[in-house]
Amino acid sequence: KNEVEQSPQNLTAQEGEFITINCSYSVGISALHWLQQHPRGGIVSLFMLSSGKKKHGRLIATINIQEKHSSLHITASHPRDSAVYICAGNYGGSQGNLIFGKGTKLSVKP
Amino acid sequence: NAGVTQTPKFRVLKTGQSMTLLCAQDMNHEYMYWYRQDPGMGLRLIHYSVGEGTTAKGEVPDGYNVSRLKKQNFLLGLESAAPSQTSVYFCASSREGHPNTEAFFGQGTRLTVV
Repeated sequence: KNEVEQSPQNLTAQEGEFITINCSYSVGISALHWLQQHPRGGIVSLFMLSSGKKKHGRLIATINIQEKHSSLHITASHPRDSAVYICAGNYGGSQGNLIFGKGTKLSVKP
Repeated sequence: NAGVTQTPKFRVLKTGQSMTLLCAQDMNHEYMYWYRQDPGMGLRLIHYSVGEGTTAKGEVPDGYNVSRLKKQNFLLGLESAAPSQTSVYFCASSREGHPNTEAFFGQGTRLTVV
């Protein structure tokens, strides 16, 4: 069964801390997505990657295909980073075979 | 820039009632998707469309119907609502299939069936 597991489920950090959210998947994927769900509910795409590393501002996403593992890092965290972070794996096919993790709820305290 | 717009944002239905959720995108995307999000679970695909006039079933299609008569609109219908359909519904669109391009999501529709 294709699965995507995220850890931790909940994460509380102090402003300025370095944050890591992990994502593991059970079967080989063609691409992995990281999404951010704001407290009001809207979802935005952060990264899509199939190998290596991508960086956007204070956010860094890495993927290790051999280990079937991806990480999302946030440097110099800020209260506005508080959100639910979701990883999703594409298990083949172009139509939309995304399997989503349950999300990691991040709270950054000032 | 509207992106992906869902209407309505909130709705309360009685069991057995019907309703249609509208998703509209102004990015000329070919692919559109309807997901539901339930507590403790990841987003699950209900139906999707790879172009105008096409639809296909996702992971949890039962109890829902969809139509894509115009490229920019993807409608999700509930013919006879059930309490199990209480959920938050998200529409998304992408230029190509998910492996190749990012997806753009609407703000969600919170549906309660009583």
